[in-house]
This record gives sequence, structure tokens and C-alpha cells, in this order.
Amino acid sequence: DQQVKQNSPSLSVQEGRISILNCDYTNSMFDYFLWYKKYPAEGPTFLISISSIKDKNEDGRFTVFLNKSAKHLSLHIVPSQPGDSAVYFCAAWGMDSNYQLIWGAGTKLIIKP
Amino acid sequence: NAGVTQTPKFQVLKTGQSMTLQCAQDMNHNSMYWYRQDPGMGLRLIYYSASEGTTDKGEVPNGYNVSRLNKREFSLRLESAAPSQTSVYFCASSELTATEAFFGQGTRLTVV
Repeated sequence: DQQVKQNSPSLSVQEGRISILNCDYTNSMFDYFLWYKKYPAEGPTFLISISSIKDKNEDGRFTVFLNKSAKHLSLHIVPSQPGDSAVYFCAAWGMDSNYQLIWGAGTKLIIKP
Repeated sequence: NAGVTQTPKFQVLKTGQSMTLQCAQDMNHNSMYWYRQDPGMGLRLIYYSASEGTTDKGEVPNGYNVSRLNKREFSLRLESAAPSQTSVYFCASSELTATEAFFGQGTRLTVV
């Protein structure tokens, strides 16, 4: 049973427009959510996070929104740049997972010039 | 700034062979992890070490053993490789268990 789901395997966005990546979770005990970015042949790198006590966190072009009632979070990238083309993973942890990260399957973002 | 270093980057094994994947971090982190990533799936935790001297099973520990050699190094051993262990393996470290993790570049392992 996947506790963290990224239902879009891929997403294509025009350069300069907004990219929105979605993530759903089933475990209401998760209390911290993270987004990682991964380029081919490299390990994931941390991008942005949000605590369950907040509904928004912003860092430059990246904003993460959390809707606890819907068990949904999203990552917005504005404006999208060619270097943003990568696989984005949503991950979560909480007491239930013994504070170990539970990962989604990832969404491949392609930024078209 | 080396961060997390994994060796080797690529390996092909025959079924039944053994090997050890090495991982070292230079960030003085307390916690270290081994993950595997398979196509269409997220990363799955194999084993972790919350602090030097401790190791615990993750989600998919069968067929693997680990050693936290010291604070810097955390190795993953496959005693008898199976084709189901064909995967990309990532080592990671974090300051504490519930903080952001930093990853190595990965080891692509093929078992034939």
C-alpha cells in the first residue's frame, strides 16, 4: 500500500510558465513533507520542505502548499527554467514511520524551450 | 566538498556472488541510510543507522547486511546476490534521523 503517491509519472511545461507537481498521502500521522529533485546519474538533492503545522512554504521560485484535510501537497515552480527538468520526489515522515522517509514514485518534469 | 561518496558506481554480479557497497560522508552526520530505487518506484529504505554503533532494518532488509564502521562509514553487503537485487543503490546521511538527507551519486548494480 503506497502511503505517498505521485500520480503523474511525467509533466511537460513551457519555459517561463508555472510547473505544478502534485503529491497525495494516506497516512494522517505524517508531520513533515519534503521535495527532492533528481538528475540522471545523480543522487536526489533536497529542494524544499514543509511542516504539517504550516500550509505554505516558499523558497525563491519554489513554493510548497499543504492541504491537510485533503492529504495533498503540491510544489509550484515559477517561472520554470530548463534546468528544472528533472525527476521530483515527494517524501514524508512521522511518528508512524519511525521518522523514516516514505517516498513517492516521482514525477519527471520536462521544461520545453 | 565531497559530501557522500559511494563506491563503486557500477557493478555486475553473477547470481550467488557477494559484494560490499561502500559509503562515506564527511559532514559529521550522525545518521546514515541505504536505499534502493527500482523503476517506477520511490526510494525504499533497506537499512539505516541512527547513530554510530546502531543499525536498524528498513522496509526491505532481506538479503542485505550493513556495518556502521565508524561515524563516517556505512557499508552494505550482499552475501549471495539474486537477480531481484538488480537496482540502483543510494547511500545517504543526515545530521539527525528526522532531518534532511544528503545523497551519494548511486551504485547501479546488475545481477545476472
